[in-house]
Amino acid sequence: KNEVEQSPQNLTAQEGEFITINCSYSVGISALHWLQQHPGGGIVSLFMLSSGKKKHGRLIATINIQEKHSSLHITASHPRDSAVYICAVRSEDGGSQGNLIFGKGTKLSVKP
Amino acid sequence: NAGVMQNPRHLVRRRGQEARLRCSPMKGHSHVYWYRQLPEEGLKFMVYLQKENIIDESGMPKERFSAEFPKEGPSILRIQQVVRGDSAAYFCASSGLADEQFFGPGTRLTVL
Repeated sequence: KNEVEQSPQNLTAQEGEFITINCSYSVGISALHWLQQHPGGGIVSLFMLSSGKKKHGRLIATINIQEKHSSLHITASHPRDSAVYICAVRSEDGGSQGNLIFGKGTKLSVKP
Repeated sequence: NAGVMQNPRHLVRRRGQEARLRCSPMKGHSHVYWYRQLPEEGLKFMVYLQKENIIDESGMPKERFSAEFPKEGPSILRIQQVVRGDSAAYFCASSGLADEQFFGPGTRLTVL
């Protein structure tokens, strides 16, 4: 079993729909990242969070440390949101602060 | 303020040749991380460096791969005697004291 699991693996939505992508992890963490990877391959960091909730534009990320679960929400989705969304965690076990553990990603396609 | 720079963006090598991938961190960042994304797979941590020091290389293959981050100049990921299985996208990220990692555009290595 992967240490970071994302669901769904693939998601197709109509423009304007509210979208939720889930991430569950099995290790203790010091931080969780949400990343966006566009078809061209570049990776953009959307959020880094260790508790609560963060909002940036139409994107909202929440985390529940007790339940080891995070969600990424996109409101009023648009075709330009089509990308792969990746959840990554940094383990708290005292090892390298750089060692991010990645989920396999959720491929989102928003249709006009 | 330029983001993380990687070059080349695309690199083609024949089996047995050497590949050198360069990463210039964001201005003010002294932490560099290398990740590999194999075709159809998720990102995997390779190595974490600070200036002139390797902090964690637990994700690096034991042979043929090396990394450095000299006092001056970019970080270099070096792959000697490349094989077809090394074909992948190699991403560099950098961070400052806040730990949030910012990713470069990646280098896509193709081994013929």
